[in-house]
Amino acid sequence: QKEVEQDPGPLSVPEGAIVSLNCTYSNSAFQYFMWYRQYSRKGPELLMYTYSSGNKEDGRFTAQVDKSSKYISLFIRDSQPSDSATYLCAMSKGGATNKLIFGTGTLLAVQP
Amino acid sequence: NAGVMQNPRHLVRRRGQEARLRCSPMKGHSHVYWYRQLPEEGLKFMVYLQKENIIDESGMPKERFSAEFPKEGPSILRIQQVVRGDSAAYFCASSPLGQTSHSTEAFFGQGTRLTVV
Repeated sequence: QKEVEQDPGPLSVPEGAIVSLNCTYSNSAFQYFMWYRQYSRKGPELLMYTYSSGNKEDGRFTAQVDKSSKYISLFIRDSQPSDSATYLCAMSKGGATNKLIFGTGTLLAVQP
Repeated sequence: NAGVMQNPRHLVRRRGQEARLRCSPMKGHSHVYWYRQLPEEGLKFMVYLQKENIIDESGMPKERFSAEFPKEGPSILRIQQVVRGDSAAYFCASSPLGQTSHSTEAFFGQGTRLTVV
């Protein structure tokens, strides 16, 4: 079983739709949760960063962490064609290493 | 403030040759991570370095791969005697961890795409 599970998609939505992206994980030691956006043949770009449980909002993006269910989500409101990319969840236990464990990514296509 | 700089962006090597990938972290960052991304897979951790120290190399293959982050200059990921299975995108990330104890934000470079022919 992978430590982090993410539906690979692809997910296709019309412009303006609300997008919900999700990851589940198995290791309760994870404390830091991140969402990255990766355009084709580019490096991952940090979108959202959350410590422990709760919600965080930044513009059209909202990240949610539910540690009791080992479930994290990213919501994108009023989706735009420029949001079309692969979205990667990542998490870390913190501590001395802080290495990130990534999901496989969800490919999102927002149709104009 | 320049981001994480990786070079070369594309590297082609024949089987058996050596590949050297370079990474300069963001200004003020002294922690470097290397990740590998195989086609259709997520990023996999390889190694975590601070200046002149390897902190965690649990993701590095046991043979042919090595990494360093000298006191001066970029971090280097070195792959000796490359094989076709080494073809992948290699990403470097840097982190300000150490300046802020709870920060684990990692910022990625654009990657080096290695093709072994």
